[in-house]
Amino acid sequence: EAGVTQSPTHLIKTRGQQATLRCSPISGHTSVYWYQQALGLGLQFLLWYDEGEERNRGNFPPRFSGRQFPNYSSELNVNALELEDSALYLCARGGVSYNEQFFGPGTRLTVL
Amino acid sequence: EDQVTQSPEALRLQEGESSSLNCSYTVSGLRGLFWYRQDPGKGPEFLFTLYSAGEEKEKERLKATLTKKESFLHITAPKPEDSATYLCAVQGGSEKLVFGKGTKLTVNP
Repeated sequence: EAGVTQSPTHLIKTRGQQATLRCSPISGHTSVYWYQQALGLGLQFLLWYDEGEERNRGNFPPRFSGRQFPNYSSELNVNALELEDSALYLCARGGVSYNEQFFGPGTRLTVL
Repeated sequence: EDQVTQSPEALRLQEGESSSLNCSYTVSGLRGLFWYRQDPGKGPEFLFTLYSAGEEKEKERLKATLTKKESFLHITAPKPEDSATYLCAVQGGSEKLVFGKGTKLTVNP
């Protein structure tokens, strides 16, 4: 059990719309990481939040943004959706060992 | 820039036929090398962390080893339920993990 829940499981949007994805780590874990897994590209690092602050971001445009709430849950927002944003979006929490990451089940975003 | 290359891209084995998956990496300041298993449409499942060359870890039929340039995931006497995509990732100077594209393993009964 990874101790990470994500919602929704599936999300279908059209080009130009906005998508909001949610992630909740099990209690006691303050770090949340977001990754994009598009077909043929492997997992790409998107964002890292810890203690409510954005700590690092990957090579993605500014229309990918997010935030972390006081209870350490997190939200990923994707504005002005493009067809190539279709992917599995994965959220991970930190582990007891400081650099381990445990993944949730993901949100499948389809942009039509 | 940190990079991870996994080979082969796909591997078909008969049940009981042992083999190894390769993960070659370049990273400045290795903080950890990670192996994950991913089933279709699901999130990656954590398997191992290796921190330094010479380290080995085992779990059931899986054994991971690490050198300064590569890691191997050895699968001994695999079963059909071991079929999955195996992902390798490295962590260098930042918190982010850099992943390879994975090896898709199919074990036939």
